[in-house]
Amino acid sequence: NAGVTQTPKFQVLKTGQSMTLQCAQDMNHEYMSWYRQDPGMGLRLIHYSVGAGITDQGEVPNGYNVSRSTTEDFPLRLLSAAPSQTSVYFCASSYSIGDNEQFFGPGTRLTVL
Amino acid sequence: KQEVTQIPAALSVPEGENLVLNCSFTDSAIYNLQWFRQDPGKGLTSLLLIQSSQREQTSGRLNASLDKSSGRSTLYIAASQPGDSATYLCAGRGSGGSNYKLTFGKGTLLTVNP
Repeated sequence: NAGVTQTPKFQVLKTGQSMTLQCAQDMNHEYMSWYRQDPGMGLRLIHYSVGAGITDQGEVPNGYNVSRSTTEDFPLRLLSAAPSQTSVYFCASSYSIGDNEQFFGPGTRLTVL
Repeated sequence: KQEVTQIPAALSVPEGENLVLNCSFTDSAIYNLQWFRQDPGKGLTSLLLIQSSQREQTSGRLNASLDKSSGRSTLYIAASQPGDSATYLCAGRGSGGSNYKLTFGKGTLLTVNP
């Protein structure tokens, strides 16, 4: 198993540009989520999904969009990038919501100029 | 609202020492608690998961405990090695309507000196 994979590893955007961060898992996990990690802030939940076709907002959803058309993939879209979205983004998955171990991807380091 | 605190923020120890990392949480209605390791520029690696009904979990030189009544978890590392140097994060999963997310502490940066 490849586990949780994320692309790209690094990205530089200009303010106002849009892009999609890709996340995929091959463990047949129902629950997937996106976190951002900022210095001094810890990791914060952006959006999550409990299965294909079902998504919901986390703590910091503004400026981000998600969809889940398959069990394997959970892309995160930045609609109009802002410098405040400069961060490291992590995708995570687990077998189900609740009591299961979470597995994290390697992260995408995003810089918005 | 659940808040998770990790003390100390940084710890430096000589190789071979046994050490304890601390994690405290404000809401005792916790579903489970997970410890992670993060190397610089890398993702999070899961170390141990403790369910709310458990008091401890062990994996190799690592032992994690959970005391819901006091709102504390500890990660014990025996016979530390330079390869243990990393940031250690704890995260609590809420129960009931909050079970969709992990609330993370800000981590303890561990340095093990040869």
